[in-house]
Amino acid sequence: AQSVAQPEDQVNVAEGNPLTVKCTYSVSGNPYLFWYVQYPNRGLQFLLKYITGDNLVKGSYGFEAEFNKSQTSFHLKKPSALVSDSALYFCAVGYNFNKFYFGSGTKLNVKP
Amino acid sequence: GAGVSQSPSNKVTEKGKDVELRCDPISGHTALYWYRQSLGQGLEFLIYFQGNSAPDKSGLPSDRFSAERTGGSVSTLTIQRTQQEDSAVYLCASSLGGGAGPYNEQFFGPGTRLTVL
Repeated sequence: AQSVAQPEDQVNVAEGNPLTVKCTYSVSGNPYLFWYVQYPNRGLQFLLKYITGDNLVKGSYGFEAEFNKSQTSFHLKKPSALVSDSALYFCAVGYNFNKFYFGSGTKLNVKP
Repeated sequence: GAGVSQSPSNKVTEKGKDVELRCDPISGHTALYWYRQSLGQGLEFLIYFQGNSAPDKSGLPSDRFSAERTGGSVSTLTIQRTQQEDSAVYLCASSLGGGAGPYNEQFFGPGTRLTVL
């Protein structure tokens, strides 16, 4: 069965420190991987995606993610966190017939 | 340009009543998705449309749920005989779709918060 796991419900980081939000996936065939962010009282917004090519993908707001096929992971990273990055982050995998599986979300708290 | 819009933004209904939720996708987007987001949960995929066709309805939770899309644009998600467990935020998203399939990013609407008393 296809699935996405975000093992951390919450990640706390100090402003200026690097951040990582973890995601692992299970899918038959080639995975199409996405990260979305949901700010308070706002809709989900696309951050970045991996389809093929370079394992390191760069996206909006200085975020990047690394696709690791052997570990079936697609962790979201940022070298220096901002307080404004505090939000709910969702990892997703695209599958057959345009079906998408989303993780349960990770709440990122960046403290000044 | 205009984004994805959904109406109503909030809906409170009594158990057993039927509700209709509406989604207006971005103009030109042929793919349209419905999701359900329960409190503390991730997004649950419900159904996908390519044009007016829904090739996979297996995500719909029960036969009380149905969806249609007309003219390749507006979509309606209908829940019949609502139950308390149907309370959630219902999100709609659209994307370019077509042959590119799951490559395309989705643009989400603000959601409809459904409360079943």
